[in-house]
Amino acid sequence: EPEVTQTPSHQVTQMGQEVILRCVPISNHLYFYWYRQILGQKVEFLVSFYNNEISEKSEIFDDQFSVERPDGSNFTLKIRSTKLEDSAMYFCASSELASTNEKLFFGSGTQLSVL
Amino acid sequence: GENVGLHLPTLSVQEGDNSIINCAYSNSASDYFIWYKQESGKGPQFIIDIRSNMDKRQGQRVTVLLNKTVKHLSLQIAATQPGDSAVYFCAENNGTGANNLFFGTGTRLTVIP
Repeated sequence: EPEVTQTPSHQVTQMGQEVILRCVPISNHLYFYWYRQILGQKVEFLVSFYNNEISEKSEIFDDQFSVERPDGSNFTLKIRSTKLEDSAMYFCASSELASTNEKLFFGSGTQLSVL
Repeated sequence: GENVGLHLPTLSVQEGDNSIINCAYSNSASDYFIWYKQESGKGPQFIIDIRSNMDKRQGQRVTVLLNKTVKHLSLQIAATQPGDSAVYFCAENNGTGANNLFFGTGTRLTVIP
């Protein structure tokens, strides 16, 4: 069964450093997303991406965050200058159609720890 | 953010019994709901979805019920198995045309062998 894959599974970084989280969405999917989950809290929406541009973003997704689809398969989340509060599990997701009622398939996540 | 919450944070059931996990939502404009299962160290896994023009939908061993009058969603798992132990989240699309989901806090289901 096709799945969303994320690398690395764990990332440890120093505060102020840049990190790039990588994702390979399911191949025929068109919509891509990043969500995050702080330990013990809800899964929160960060950003959605379609047709090579951001379609929606939350308040969390400030100027420190950016997303990119550098080639035909990868989808990345960059945090420019990490803060302690960026420590969380980051999930990439994708959906097949550009529809508001389309189920999302999630990857296993990247655990980001900012020290 | 949207208020999608769960009545109970934990639920323990005997293996073989049926489980019912509840979820309340506050946005009456929401028109699409999903239940996800999250096992330790993994991402949310799609279980079942339902659109607002339906009040019940069945899958394999799972049934989702939607009561729009009281803005309540439930997930029923028949003949619960040890492999069903996980955290279960309900999520809603807020009905504005956006394709992002708002997740509830989650209910941890523990199946006792």
